[in-house]
Amino acid sequence: KAGVTQTPRYLIKTRGQQVTLSCSPISGHRSVSWYQQTPGQGLQFLFEYFSETQRNKGNFPGRFSGRQFSNSRSEMNVSTLELGDSALYLCASSLVDRSGQPPYNSPLHFGNGTRLTVT
Amino acid sequence: AQSVAQPEDQVNVAEGNPLTVKCTYSVSGNPYLFWYVQYPNRGLQFLLKYITGDNLVKGSYGFEAEFNKSQTSFHLKKPSALVSDSALYFCAVRVSANFNKFYFGSGTKLNVKP
Repeated sequence: KAGVTQTPRYLIKTRGQQVTLSCSPISGHRSVSWYQQTPGQGLQFLFEYFSETQRNKGNFPGRFSGRQFSNSRSEMNVSTLELGDSALYLCASSLVDRSGQPPYNSPLHFGNGTRLTVT
Repeated sequence: AQSVAQPEDQVNVAEGNPLTVKCTYSVSGNPYLFWYVQYPNRGLQFLLKYITGDNLVKGSYGFEAEFNKSQTSFHLKKPSALVSDSALYFCAVRVSANFNKFYFGSGTKLNVKP
């Protein structure tokens, strides 16, 4: 099975621009989560999607948004980029049952991330 | 609130020696605990997970984790370290049984020297 695929791997943007990152989950995984990783803050939860609905959101400003498509692929968007948005953005997918509940010991499976640099 | 702590930023060990990477947790209810490893410029790779009732859990690449309920710890161990084990290790806890929201520890950099 192919793993979680994130594109692009690297992005360089300037302040004020916006950016869209893409994630294709493992086949059959219908839950997709996004995390931001920085040296100072570590791994921070952005949001989680299931069945095209955001059902959990971390403590990030509204400039960070996302969506999920009917094939479970997901995108996240960051508008009005700031220098502090420079980070590794990680997408993770997971198995869930029909109601969207994950098996209690089901791990997240991560992609290799998109390295965003804001100048 | 659920949380995990990794008290050591860095662990140094000689190749062939046993290694331990520490993790303590704070959860309400049953703990859903995981270990991940991250190599440079890569995503997180799942190593192992806690299974209720097992105090010693075996995972990938010869790693295992020891669960201790009284000390609320879930330490990662390996009997004999390899130079290739050098990486960043994260302990994580699932926040809710219903959603895929995880809290991650701050990470521990493992350096294995030849």
